[in-house]
Amino acid sequence: GAVVSQHPSRVICKSGTSVKIECRSLDFQATTMFWYRQFPKQSLMLMATSNEGSKATYEQGVEKDKFLINHASLTLSTLTVTSAHPEDSSFYICSALLANTEAFFGQGTRLTVV
Amino acid sequence: KQEVTQIPAALSVPEGENLVLNCSFTDSAIYNLQWFRQDPGKGLTSLLLIQSSQREQTSGRLNASLDKSSGRSTLYIAASQPGDSATYLCAVRSATDSWGKLQFGAGTQVVVTP
Repeated sequence: GAVVSQHPSRVICKSGTSVKIECRSLDFQATTMFWYRQFPKQSLMLMATSNEGSKATYEQGVEKDKFLINHASLTLSTLTVTSAHPEDSSFYICSALLANTEAFFGQGTRLTVV
Repeated sequence: KQEVTQIPAALSVPEGENLVLNCSFTDSAIYNLQWFRQDPGKGLTSLLLIQSSQREQTSGRLNASLDKSSGRSTLYIAASQPGDSATYLCAVRSATDSWGKLQFGAGTQVVVTP
């Protein structure tokens, strides 16, 4: 299957700082990528849809100024958590669509804000 | 709004038994359905993708069926192994969604005991 690489896998940051998470499709081009958040023992919650060359579309209740998404190329989308606080601690996962059909996911990023 | 339900929430079987995981969805107008596997603290691995026009897909010991009219999909795992222990998620893409968003079920946590 296709490969989506997410980096970093773990990050610890101080409250008030910003953290950037990268999502790369390694062997295919992805016009559309998605960012999810997952709480312990729960399923995935879609945060936003990222389209190459245009602004991201955020789901209801997701603060676009706190979670900045940039999809600068067909293989790279980034999620920046700005002014992070402890409540932003979570598991963040990205996915990319292959041929607008099958979704492939990154390994996830465990963010801990202290 | 599409709702996806997975039953049971948890399942424990001895090694060698066949696994049967169920997924139901409320809106039959789907584009496709995917089954994923998630290991603790990891991202999602795509197992099988079934297009709306298909009735089933097979890969090795895995077989997934789709009955769109009744809003059901079943994932069969033959001759289970301890390495099959994981959480299995099904996700549905609506036929009217042009972005490719997936609606996830809550997952079935599987434990295969040696």
